[in-house]
Amino acid sequence: DAGVTQSPTHLIKTRGQQVTLRCSPISGHKSVSWYQQVLGQGPQFIFQYYEKEERGRGNFPDRFSARQFPNYSSELNVNALLLGDSALYLCASSLGSSTGNTIYFGEGSWLTVV
Amino acid sequence: AQTVTQSQPEMSVQEAETVTLSCTYDTSESDYYLFWYKQPPSRQMILVIRQEAYKQQNATENRFSVNFQKAAKSFSLKISDSQLGDAAMYFCAYRSQGAQKLVFGQGTRLTINP
Repeated sequence: DAGVTQSPTHLIKTRGQQVTLRCSPISGHKSVSWYQQVLGQGPQFIFQYYEKEERGRGNFPDRFSARQFPNYSSELNVNALLLGDSALYLCASSLGSSTGNTIYFGEGSWLTVV
Repeated sequence: AQTVTQSQPEMSVQEAETVTLSCTYDTSESDYYLFWYKQPPSRQMILVIRQEAYKQQNATENRFSVNFQKAAKSFSLKISDSQLGDAAMYFCAYRSQGAQKLVFGQGTRLTINP
């Protein structure tokens, strides 16, 4: 079975542009979360979605938004890109929203803002 | 808010030796989960081991074991018989009971010397 898949793997954007990152969870997983990992730091929680509803939001500006589709895949959108948005964006999935469910991560999308 | 601190930015160990990575956390909660994740150069976060706070027994997974000291809010990872494939960034993470959000530490880069 495929793991958590993310696309694109790498991308370069210009300041002020908008970007959409995509994530497909493990088959059967209904919960998707997004994390931002700046170089040299640990991942920071951005959003969690379960059954297409937002269940958690981290301390990120409104330029960051996300959604989950009926097939449980998810998109993360970032508007008005800043240089500081350059990071690895990790998607994670789990069966449900229970704490007992193991969280599995994808390999991430590298975003460089120039 | 919960915080996780890893005070060792880098550690190194000889192949086949034992190494211990440190992690402390701050929380006012009594029920929670603690994790160690490994992030190799591929950047995918891989779960190494998990510990439920209500369990007094320390978790073990093959060569990996933890020393969980709840009163001291300490959660260290011991890797026995270190192998070259263990080289990676290691992140300690905290998860509240009933929540999906993971709170990560800053990470420890582990180098294995042949």
